[in-house]
Amino acid sequence: DAGVIQSPRHEVTEMGQEVTLRCKPISGHDYLFWYRQTMMRGLELLIYFNNNVPIDDSGMPEDRFSAKMPNASFSTLKIQPSEPRDSAVYFCASSSPDGYNEQFFGPGTRLTVL
Amino acid sequence: RKEVEQDPGPFNVPEGATVAFNCTYSNSASQSFFWYRQDCRKEPKLLMSVYSSGNEDGRFTAQLNRASQYISLLIRDSKLSDSATYLCAVSPGVMDSNYQLIWGAGTKLIIKP
Repeated sequence: DAGVIQSPRHEVTEMGQEVTLRCKPISGHDYLFWYRQTMMRGLELLIYFNNNVPIDDSGMPEDRFSAKMPNASFSTLKIQPSEPRDSAVYFCASSSPDGYNEQFFGPGTRLTVL
Repeated sequence: RKEVEQDPGPFNVPEGATVAFNCTYSNSASQSFFWYRQDCRKEPKLLMSVYSSGNEDGRFTAQLNRASQYISLLIRDSKLSDSATYLCAVSPGVMDSNYQLIWGAGTKLIIKP
C-alpha cells in the first residue's frame, strides 16, 4: 500500500516567494494533518481536516499560511509570502477513524527560505 | 507545565543493554497514547500504540500508568539500529479533538557498540 505522499521533498526559495506544499493521504483515511518541525519548537500541528473540511487551524502561525483540501486525495499548504523563519520540515500525516487514531506520516518537505 | 513532557536525553546506552524512558502527560482525560520513532532527517514512524493493559512487540514493551499519568517504553537487548529519537504522542482528551495528538519533544537514544 502506498503511504502518505508529499511533494516536493526539498524546496529552496527566496524570501517573499510563494511556496506550495502538496500531500496525498493514504487512501481511505478521513483525517489529514499538517505539521511543522524545527529543532527549537519540535513538532507543531498547523491544521487538520476531517472529510476535506478544516477542523482546527489554530496552529497556523499567521495569515501568510493557508491550507486547502479540495478532495479526499489531495491537500496543499501554501505560504505567501515566505520568510526565513518559515524554514522547517513540513510533514503531512493521515489517520483513519476506524483505527486507534494512529497517524501515519509522509516523508516531509524540507523548506529553506533564504 | 507542558502537556506532554519527555526527557530529551541523550541516553547513551551500550549495545545489548536495556533502556527505558518515560513520557508524562497532563490531561487525565487523554484516551490514546503512542510511541513513534524518528530517525535523523526522516519522518516519525509509529512504533507502538499503548493500550491500557500494556503491550509488547518483540524487544519493545510499552506501559500506561493512568494514576501517575505517564507512559513508558522499555527496549531490551538494544541494537545499534535502535539509535533514534523516540517521540510520545497523546490525544488531548477532549471528545471532539480526540483525533489530534499532542507531541512530546522526543528522547534521543544513542546505542554504542
